Amino acid sequence: QVQLVQSGAEVKKPGASVRVSCNASGYTFTGYYIHWVRQTPGQGLEWMGWINPDSGDTKYAQNFKGRVTMTRDPSFSTAYMELSRLTSDDTALYYCAKDHQYNSAWFPGHWGQGTLVTVSS
Amino acid sequence: QSVLTQAPSASGTPGQRVTISCSGSSSNIGTNYVYWYQHLPGTAPKLLIYRNNQRPSGVPDRFSGSKSGTSASLAISGLRSEDEADYYCAAWDDNLSGDVIFGGGTKLTVL
Repeated sequence: QVQLVQSGAEVKKPGASVRVSCNASGYTFTGYYIHWVRQTPGQGLEWMGWINPDSGDTKYAQNFKGRVTMTRDPSFSTAYMELSRLTSDDTALYYCAKDHQYNSAWFPGHWGQGTLVTVSS
Repeated sequence: QSVLTQAPSASGTPGQRVTISCSGSSSNIGTNYVYWYQHLPGTAPKLLIYRNNQRPSGVPDRFSGSKSGTSASLAISGLRSEDEADYYCAAWDDNLSGDVIFGGGTKLTVL
């Protein structure tokens, strides 16, 4: 079955960067775009962007351009999301999600378990 | 504040039918598909409805979606205790270069 297993919780200081990994199994990794979405404490969901695991093409949300970098390693069926210049506002649960549609950038379908990133001095 | 507006809370009793609304504009719901997600605390969000009214395999037909103009709705019939969760609508927004935007979420309580 489809599984997206994310890396463990992180604690970072303001100004630092964080990289979250997302290891996919149970489907053809290069066939489905990977989205990244976060949920800040007490708030709703915020889309950060997607990466095409086949070509490496990316689209970043306006709010994160210049601060987020999404990469992938098809040989390990793993996608990565790096967020730089962290502030306390970036404390959130970060999710990766496989697109629900094959070979297209639509919307998140199956989601990972989430990675808690805490930014604190 | 979210571009897509949802009531913060809704409630119903077991067996009842409840509707959760999502209001947007011509740049998002008015011209693009609407998606709905169910999020139980401590678990991964789950895709409930895609392209306005389509259910992924495995989603019960108690869940249905509709869209009219710049608003969309998620209806849950035969309400069950396990339906207690947060529900989010989502759509592309053409004013944000096609970014995916989410509503603020509606917390559904089953009384």
